[in-house]
Amino acid sequence: GENVEQHPSTLSVQEGDSAVIKCTYSDSASNYFPWYKQELGKRPQLIIDIRSNVGEKKDQRIAVTLNKTAKHFSLHITETQPEDSAVYFCAAITGYIKTIFGAGTRLFVKA
Amino acid sequence: DAGVIQSPRHEVTEMGQEVTLRCKPISGHDYLFWYRQTMMRGLELLIYFNNNVPIDDSGMPEDRFSAKMPNASFSTLKIQPSEPRDSAVYFCASSLSQMNTEAFFGQGTRLTVV
Repeated sequence: GENVEQHPSTLSVQEGDSAVIKCTYSDSASNYFPWYKQELGKRPQLIIDIRSNVGEKKDQRIAVTLNKTAKHFSLHITETQPEDSAVYFCAAITGYIKTIFGAGTRLFVKA
Repeated sequence: DAGVIQSPRHEVTEMGQEVTLRCKPISGHDYLFWYRQTMMRGLELLIYFNNNVPIDDSGMPEDRFSAKMPNASFSTLKIQPSEPRDSAVYFCASSLSQMNTEAFFGQGTRLTVV
């Protein structure tokens, strides 16, 4: 069946450094790729998304890139801050609704 | 809008008891999802509804789990009988009926079955 693989499962960076999280998906029909951030004890919240007709999208310190040929997409966080510490989930959506989440990456930003 | 509202926030119950989780989606959203989150399995989609109709329940783990959506503003997820392995955080989410739209999550219900 369809799946989304996410790496790494844990990432520790020094404040100010960049963090990169990568996901690969299996369903070539997937056309929407959101990223969610989940702080400890809280709900997942959308931080950025990208659609299949776009290769890159940026929002301040956060950017996402998509390679449809290779079926992978990545989240880039620059100038990391302690408040970026959280679990990040990628997802791939096919058609309207079928959503497959990655397993999550726990990001630690050390001050 | 207050967002997706779930109740209770925390539930502790004994094995064998019935558990009912509740969700109120964002007004105007046509899709409602129930997810389960555990350390071992991450975020799993259990079931989703479109216009109150269950569309895909292939993620429901077994017959002990059931979900209903009697109207556009209310859904329940029921576990009967509950087991310790059902302990998890259960999230409800809703989204608009458009392609490629964000799912808004509720605060979740942390269920502990002892």
